[in-house]
Amino acid sequence: EIQLVESGGGLVPPGRSLRLSCAASGFTFDDFAMHWVRQAPGKGLQWVASIYWNSDRMDYADSVKGRFTISRDNARNFLYLQLTSLRAEDTAFYYCAKDSSGSSWHTFDYWGPGTLVTVSS
Amino acid sequence: SYELTQPPSLSVSPGQTAGITCSGDELGDKYVCWYQQKSGQSPVLVIYQDRKRPSGIPERFSGSNSGNTATLTISGTQAMDEADYYCQAWDSNTGVFGGGTKLTVL
Repeated sequence: EIQLVESGGGLVPPGRSLRLSCAASGFTFDDFAMHWVRQAPGKGLQWVASIYWNSDRMDYADSVKGRFTISRDNARNFLYLQLTSLRAEDTAFYYCAKDSSGSSWHTFDYWGPGTLVTVSS
Repeated sequence: SYELTQPPSLSVSPGQTAGITCSGDELGDKYVCWYQQKSGQSPVLVIYQDRKRPSGIPERFSGSNSGNTATLTISGTQAMDEADYYCQAWDSNTGVFGGGTKLTVL
């Protein structure tokens, strides 16, 4: 059974940093691209960042470019999202999602339960 | 930046057919996915590559995409189909979601 479990969310003041983790199991992690998608409470889905299976390519939404960094550890089956210079508008549930492909962007075919990041003083 | 537009809400009676639209410039030239999100849960993929159903998704879910509009059709809608539905596509290596459609079954 494919499982994705996010962790690392919490309450953080504006301007601070946070690292989110996503533990993957039930599939060959280093065969697939991975993504982060977020959802502000009561709002719609917003794509955040994506990474190829081998980390050769990463893409970011304009709203987070230069502040967030996506990375992965294929030896440990973990996906990460480093969040810096956090703003109130970054408050959201952050979902880890698996792609159906390894080296192109296709489909978010499995999602984790999400972790909540709240940016507030 | 590329945009996908969905109606905010749609109501259908049980057993009726629901059609949720998603519009975008030359959307027919891209692959569209659809996600179902029930209250308090994570999204679930229900249609990918315009019209394909993942395993475990009921046959009453179908999709199409042509011109500037993609459509998710739910035939014989059931109460369990009440949820938010999001369309999604890729444009220049950027993921784009529609604003979501709240489907009410009453």
